Order: sequence, then C-alpha cells, then structure tokens
Amino acid sequence: AQSVTQLDSHVSVSEGTPVLLRCNYSSSYSPSLFWYVQHPNKGLQLLLKYTSAATLVKGINGFEAEFKKSETSFHLTKPSAHMSDAAEYFCVVSGGNTGKLIFGQGTTLQVKP
Amino acid sequence: NAGVMQNPRHLVRRRGQEARLRCSPMKGHSHVYWYRQLPEEGLKFMVYLQKENIIDESGMPKERFSAEFPKEGPSILRIQQVVRGDSAAYFCASSPWEAGGPNEQFFGPGTRLTVL
Repeated sequence: AQSVTQLDSHVSVSEGTPVLLRCNYSSSYSPSLFWYVQHPNKGLQLLLKYTSAATLVKGINGFEAEFKKSETSFHLTKPSAHMSDAAEYFCVVSGGNTGKLIFGQGTTLQVKP
Repeated sequence: NAGVMQNPRHLVRRRGQEARLRCSPMKGHSHVYWYRQLPEEGLKFMVYLQKENIIDESGMPKERFSAEFPKEGPSILRIQQVVRGDSAAYFCASSPWEAGGPNEQFFGPGTRLTVL
C-alpha cells in the first residue's frame, strides 16, 4: 500500500529565507508523487509532480522537489519565501492503477515579514 | 477551457436532511474523483467514477453516501440523512484518460457542507 508522511505539521520562515517542507513516502512500486498547495478556503493547486522522469522536479512559483529513492523522500524546497507562499501544502502519492490520490496530513507554512 | 466546477460552494443542512453536491469535470475529462476534508485533517479519497460506472468506492462510508456520474450531466455526491459529522469540505477532481490510465487530477473549489 502507498502512504506519505509529512514530517512537520507547521513550518515558519521569514520572508526571503529558504523553505523546506519534508515528505517521506512508502510505496510497493515506483510511485507518482505530487505536491499540492491549498490557500485558505480555496481549492487545491498542483505545484509539481514526479512520474519517474528526472529526479529533480521544477514546479510553479519557484518551488522544486527532489525524488530520492534511497531515502524514500520527496522534500519540497524554495530558495526564497514570499508572503504569498503562506498556505497549506500537501504531499501526495498516487495509489495504484485507479489513480486515487493519497494525501499526507499537510504542512502549514507561515511566512513572517 | 473552464476548470472543474462545483456547486453549491456552501451548503447548510439540518440533521436528517439530504445533501446533493455537484461536480462538472473539465471538458474532455472522463474520470471524476471525490475527496473529503474534515476539519484539521488532510483530504481522504472517497470514490472514483467514470461515465456511468463506479470504479473504486473503497473510501465511501457504507451507509447514507452514494455517487453517480451519468452519461449526461454532472457527477453527484449524495448524502442522505446528514449528521453533524458530515460537516466537511468536499472536493471533486477530474482527470483525462491517458495511456497507462488516469493521470494528473485537477481540483474544483470544493463544497463546504455545514450540518446544523
């Protein structure tokens, strides 16, 4: 079975400093992994996805993530946080051949001025 | 190309009433997924449908919940005899068919159900 664990429920950074949101996955086969962002009272927006091509994946708004099979990790990073990055971030794995998504518990990113 | 549409955006029901949530997938998408987000929790898969077929309903509660995706019209998630514990945000996502099966999912804005 597939699962993801987001290691931090809350991350706080200062504007202009790097962002690191951590995610470990468990999968019995080569997974498809995603990061989604949810702003307050809004829907979910795809930041980036990994589907067994390049291990370093670039997404929107300056975010990127690196797939590390040896560490079963898919951490999300951004070199410099912006106030507008404050939101809930979900690490997600695609579960099996039906494509249903399995979400982590989410990490709330706070960006301080 | 309009995105995934859900209506209503907000729905208030009293205990025992029925709730009907609608989802119109993106044009050309034949796969629809429903997810539920309970307060302070992540999203949980409920059901996966293709036109006129339920493919995977492993996340649906055994009673009171049903879903359909008819040949014409939106997908409907129906909750009968709602209880306070049904209060949540319900998200619909759609996906196109691609070789190897469904791929990236595009989410709607969600329906926030409040049960009084």
